[in-house]
Amino acid sequence: QLQLQESGPGLVKPSETLSLTCTVSGGSVSSSTYYWSWVRQPPGKGLDWIGTIYHNGGTYYNPSLQSRLTISVDTSKNQFSLKLRSVTAADTAVYYCARRRTETLTDYMDVWGKGTTVTVSS
Amino acid sequence: DVQMTQSPSSLSASVGDRVTITCRASQTINSYLNWYQQKPGKAPKVLIYSASSLQSGVPSRFSGSGSGTDFTLTVSDLQPEDFATYYCQQSYTTPLTFGGGTKVEIK
Repeated sequence: QLQLQESGPGLVKPSETLSLTCTVSGGSVSSSTYYWSWVRQPPGKGLDWIGTIYHNGGTYYNPSLQSRLTISVDTSKNQFSLKLRSVTAADTAVYYCARRRTETLTDYMDVWGKGTTVTVSS
Repeated sequence: DVQMTQSPSSLSASVGDRVTITCRASQTINSYLNWYQQKPGKAPKVLIYSASSLQSGVPSRFSGSGSGTDFTLTVSDLQPEDFATYYCQQSYTTPLTFGGGTKVEIK
C-alpha cells in the first residue's frame, strides 16, 4: 500500500528557504503512471496547489509561486522535494505531498501524506 | 486561472438527510472535476473523480454529477462520519484549483 510522508523543519525564518521532502513507500516515484504533487493549506483556509513533478523531472508550478519554487525528484531515495525561497508569514501552512493519478479523461490526487505544519516566524 | 466556486460555504444537516453541494467553474472543464473530503487535522481524501466516478472504498451514498461548468456532489443518507469539509478541484488545466470548501455540520 502506497504511503507518503512529509518531513522538514516546522519553523522557518522570514526571507529564508522552506525545504520539505516527501518519502514514498510501497511504490516507486519512478513510475510513469503517476505524478507527484505538493498542496498547502494556510491555517483555517482552503487548499492551494503548489506544483507537480513528473518521474522524468518535468515540472508544473503554480504561477503565483513559480519565481520562488523548485520541486525536484530523487529516484535513488524514492523521494521528491520542495524548496520555497524568500518565505514570508503568508507561506505559513500545512504542506501536503500527494500522488497525482493521470489517465485518459482522469486526473486526480488519490494518495496523500498526513501533512506537515510549517510556520514562518522570526 | 480557472476559478472554482462552491455553494453553500456551510450547511447544517441531520443524520439521514440528503445533502447537495454545488461547484461552478469559471470556464468549461469538461469532466475534469474531483471532490475531496477533509476532516479536522487530516489530509484530504478523494471521494469522486472525473465528475462522477466513485473512488474505490468510498461508500455508495456519495455521488457526483455534471460536466462543463456546473457540478454537484450529493450525499444521500448522511452519516455521522460524513460531517466534514468538502472541496471540489479542477484538473482540466494548470494551475490546478480548488473550490473554497463547504463545511457540513451537525444540525
